[in-house]
Amino acid sequence: DGGITQSPKYLFRKEGQNVTLSCEQNLNHDAMYWYRQDPGQGLRLIYYSQIVNDFQKGDIAEGYSVSREKKESFPLTVTSAQKNPTAFYLCASSIKGISGTYEQYFGPGTRLTVT
Amino acid sequence: AQSVTQLDSHVSVSEGTPVLLRCNYSSSYSPSLFWYVQHPNKGLQLLLKYTSAATLVKGINGFEAEFKKSETSFHLTKPSAHMSDAAEYFCVVSSGYNDMRFGAGTRLTVKP
Repeated sequence: DGGITQSPKYLFRKEGQNVTLSCEQNLNHDAMYWYRQDPGQGLRLIYYSQIVNDFQKGDIAEGYSVSREKKESFPLTVTSAQKNPTAFYLCASSIKGISGTYEQYFGPGTRLTVT
Repeated sequence: AQSVTQLDSHVSVSEGTPVLLRCNYSSSYSPSLFWYVQHPNKGLQLLLKYTSAATLVKGINGFEAEFKKSETSFHLTKPSAHMSDAAEYFCVVSSGYNDMRFGAGTRLTVKP
């Protein structure tokens, strides 16, 4: 089956530790994204990547880092510099459709809790 | 700049009655508009999308939305709510691969 996988589903870390969230897609999509979701808020863009070895900061990139060494993979590292890392993290990918629209497909998410 | 406003943070309906989730947008371009649904602790699933073709868009699970440029609205409707429709719904405006703006979401509750 084609899709986006994120692992793990739940992640617990102590404050001050870096943690890496995994995102893999087998849809052959060029673009990939990381979003953060907090209760009562919409999704906020952390980073995005249009092609391998290139990525751009989104609206809330501070305290996060990414890499894009392979088309299929776009891991997100939450560093100790992120002041409030506890959140639900969603990975997405997209491809340009026939109509010219970039429709995003989402993974199941990782819930990170930092104490 | 683009933005989207979902006018209701919470909507409650009875099973079998109509659903209306309201969304207004602001965009300098001819936008693409989407509705996504999210069940608890899950990713987002695309319900439907508007891409400048027909203004009335039909999606999955009986949902549809109408694009009204004069009102800058893209409201989501369903004639008859089902218990399984209870979820969070997000309206999204986009002008390209790197510019998707999400609304804050509307939580739909369906009462038996």
